[in-house]
Order: sequence, then structure tokens, then C-alpha cells
Amino acid sequence: KAGVTQTPRYLIKTRGQQVTLSCSPISGHRSVSWYQQTPGQGLQFLFEYFSETQRNKGNFPGRFSGRQFSNSRSEMNVSTLELGDSALYLCASSITGTNTEAFFGQGTRLTVV
Amino acid sequence: EDQVTQSPEALRLQEGESSSLNCSYTVSGLRGLFWYRQDPGKGPEFLFTLYSAGEEKEKERLKATLTKKESFLHITAPKPEDSATYLCAVQAPAFSGGYNKLIFGAGTRLAVHP
Repeated sequence: KAGVTQTPRYLIKTRGQQVTLSCSPISGHRSVSWYQQTPGQGLQFLFEYFSETQRNKGNFPGRFSGRQFSNSRSEMNVSTLELGDSALYLCASSITGTNTEAFFGQGTRLTVV
Repeated sequence: EDQVTQSPEALRLQEGESSSLNCSYTVSGLRGLFWYRQDPGKGPEFLFTLYSAGEEKEKERLKATLTKKESFLHITAPKPEDSATYLCAVQAPAFSGGYNKLIFGAGTRLAVHP
């Protein structure tokens, strides 16, 4: 059974640019969540999608956005990149997102220079 | 405010030396407590889910337990390959903004030496 796939694995962007990250969940999983992991703040929740609808959002600025497609694949976009956006971005998929195990991908390492 | 605190921050063990990691939480109505293992540069790997006080789960050398205020991850006779960061997370109910969101602790970095 294939796991959660995130692409690309590594990205280097310049301040002010925008970036799009992709996540393909486990087959049959309809909930996709995104997290940002940094050494100083640990893992922090960005947002969660289920059946193409955002159900919950963390405390991040509006530069961070996402969407989910009808096949449950999800994308996350960060506009006007700042140095502080450098982090490991992780995607997690679960069957429903509520009271069920969430399985993480390997992450996308974003470096903003 | 919902909060998860893990201790110790780092733990060094000799191979075969059993120990426990602690995860204390403050959440208004726990919906689930999750343990993950994370290796450097990789995504967290799911280990256990616990839902109610008194519940226990085991997997190889790991055993997770849950009380009303904390969870323990017991490691019995660890091996060097158990070296990783162990993360604890809780899921809070919808009315507190926790719907479908995991709140993570900072993790415990475990190093097991031969």
C-alpha cells in the first residue's frame, strides 16, 4: 500500500517568490492536513481539508493557503516568501481526520534565501 | 489553552537500559493521544493511538499508556535502532478549535548507545 507522497522533496526559493507544494494521500483517505516543522516552534498545524473543503485553519498569515482536489490530492501555496518560512512542510492523510490515525509523508524541505 | 509538554528533552541510554518518556497534556476533552517516531530529515512515523485513561498498547519494545493527565512511552531493552525523536500529539474537540488538528509536543530525542 503506497504511503503519503509529497513533492518536491527539496526547494530553494528567493524572498518574495511564491511556492506550491503537493501532497498525494494514501488511497481511500479523504482528509489531508498540513504542518510546518521548525527547530524553534516544532510541528504546527496549518490547515486541514476534507472532500475539497477546508475544515480547520491554524494561526498562520493569509500568505499560506491550500486546496484539495476531487481525488483528495492537496496543494499548499505560500506567497511572498519570507526567510522565516524556511521549514519542513509535512502533509498527513487520514481516513476521516477525526479520531483516526494520521500518516505523514516525508515532507518538503523549503529553504528561502 | 490546549498544551502538550514532553520530558525529558533528550535522553541517552545504553543498549538494554529500559526507560520511559513522558507526555503531559492539558486539553478540554481529549479525543485522542498519538505517539510518533521521527528520524532526522523524515516525516513522523505513526506508532500508537490511545483514546481513554487506562488504555495500553504495545509494539515490539515499545509500550504506551494513558492517564487523565499524561501518557508514558516505555522502552524495554532498547537497541541503537530505536534512536529517534519521539513525538506526542493530542487531538482536541471541535468546540475548542481542535477539530481535525493535532497539537504536538516538542519531542524527546532518544539516543541509544551500544
